[in-house]
Amino acid sequence: DIQMTQSPSSLSASVGDRVTITCRASEAISNSLAWYQQQPGKVPKLLIYAASTLQSGVPSRFSGSGSRTHFTLTISSLQSEDVATYYCQKYNSVPWTFGQGTKVEIK
Amino acid sequence: EVQLLESGGGLVQPGGSLRLSCAASGITFSIFAMTWVRQAPGKGLEWVSAVSGGGDGTYYADSVQGRFTISRDNSKNTLYLQMNSLRAEDTAVYYCAKVTRGIGLDVWGQGTTVTVSS
Repeated sequence: DIQMTQSPSSLSASVGDRVTITCRASEAISNSLAWYQQQPGKVPKLLIYAASTLQSGVPSRFSGSGSRTHFTLTISSLQSEDVATYYCQKYNSVPWTFGQGTKVEIK
Repeated sequence: EVQLLESGGGLVQPGGSLRLSCAASGITFSIFAMTWVRQAPGKGLEWVSAVSGGGDGTYYADSVQGRFTISRDNSKNTLYLQMNSLRAEDTAVYYCAKVTRGIGLDVWGQGTTVTVSS
């Protein structure tokens, strides 16, 4: 099965900072990659699909890029409401594996 | 508005069984694949199982293969997860989610908690 590896596992940044999270697939998955945000105590929410397409209603400070095996999620200017754990997920074929998550905190 | 509402969680002894349900509203249920995702306490998301819109295609994570059965009743707009031979490591919040092809899991339920303990 294809493994999804995120880095870092956690980070602490200041409000207004640019934040980048990386997700690597153990094999090529084209652009079949989604990013989810899970705020503390909340249900996961789809942020980005097809590696770089912003889901409706998601703030434009979020962006995604990459293809095949290397993907990134960027928050251009971190806000307090962005405190959450972020997960990547492959969906080109089952199993639809998630990355282990990246916890983002405010410094 | 699309809504998914899970039910059926609870406390069960190791080796026991439980059936989860997920009632959908606000969508043409039968045209979408559906999936179950779980999250153990303090842990990340784990994909568990998925079923095609018509119910003829079912898929499972290795960790639940042979113990869990996913199904759906499109006449009732309801998704199910029959869980047998439950283990302590199955303890988690179980979410159902709607799958949109090419997009991913775009609508999630609030989750139902399953605790496997003696």
